[in-house]
Amino acid sequence: AQSVTQLGSHVSVSEGALVLLRCNYSSSVPPYLFWYVQYPNQGLQLLLKYTTGATLVKGINGFEAEFKKSETSFHLTKPSAHMSDAAEYFCAVTPGTDKLIFGTGTRLQVFP
Amino acid sequence: AAGVIQSPRHLIKEKRETATLKCYPIPRHDTVYWYQQGPGQDPQFLISFYEKMQSDKGSIPDRFSAQQFSDYHSELNMSSLELGDSALYFCASSTTPKGLGNTIYFGEGSWLTVV
Repeated sequence: AQSVTQLGSHVSVSEGALVLLRCNYSSSVPPYLFWYVQYPNQGLQLLLKYTTGATLVKGINGFEAEFKKSETSFHLTKPSAHMSDAAEYFCAVTPGTDKLIFGTGTRLQVFP
Repeated sequence: AAGVIQSPRHLIKEKRETATLKCYPIPRHDTVYWYQQGPGQDPQFLISFYEKMQSDKGSIPDRFSAQQFSDYHSELNMSSLELGDSALYFCASSTTPKGLGNTIYFGEGSWLTVV
C-alpha cells in the first residue's frame, strides 16, 4: 500500500525565511506525488505535482519540490516565506488507481 | 475558469436525519471523487465514480450512498446521521480514472454539522 508521512504537524517561520515542509512516501511502484494547500475554511488547491521526468518541480506561489527516490522524499520548499503562505499543506500520493492518499498535513505559520 | 461546484456550502442536521450533498464537476471531467475531512484531520477518500459507474470505494459508511448522473454531477446521500459525521465533505473531479498523475481538482467543500 502507498502512504505519505509528513514530518511536523506545525512549522513556524519568520516572514522572508526559508520554508521547508517534509514529506516522505512509501510505495511499491513509481509514485505520483502532489502537494495541496488549504487556506482556512477553503478547499484544497494544487500547488504542484510530480509524475515523471524532471525531479525538481515548480509550482504556484513560488513553491517547489524535489523528488528524491533514494530518500523516498518529496519535500516542499519556498525560498522566502510570505504572510499569505500561512495555511495547511498536504502531501499526497496516488496508489494504483487515481484516488489521492493524503498525509496528515502540516500547518505553516508565518510570523512578521 | 470553471471549478468544482458543491452545494450546499453549509448544512446543519440533527442526529438520525438525512442529508444530501451535490457536486458539479468541472466541464468535461468524467470522474468524481468524494472525500471527508474531520476537524483537524486529513481528507479521507470515500468513493469515486467514472462515467456514472462506481470506480473505487474507500472508507464510506454503509449509511452513505452516492451516485453520478448522466450530466456527470454527483450526489452523496447520508442517512441516520451521527455526531461523528460532522465534517467538511469535498468533491473533486478529474479526467479519466486511469490516467495516473492526472490533476484532481477540489471544490470548496460542504460543511456538515450534526447536532
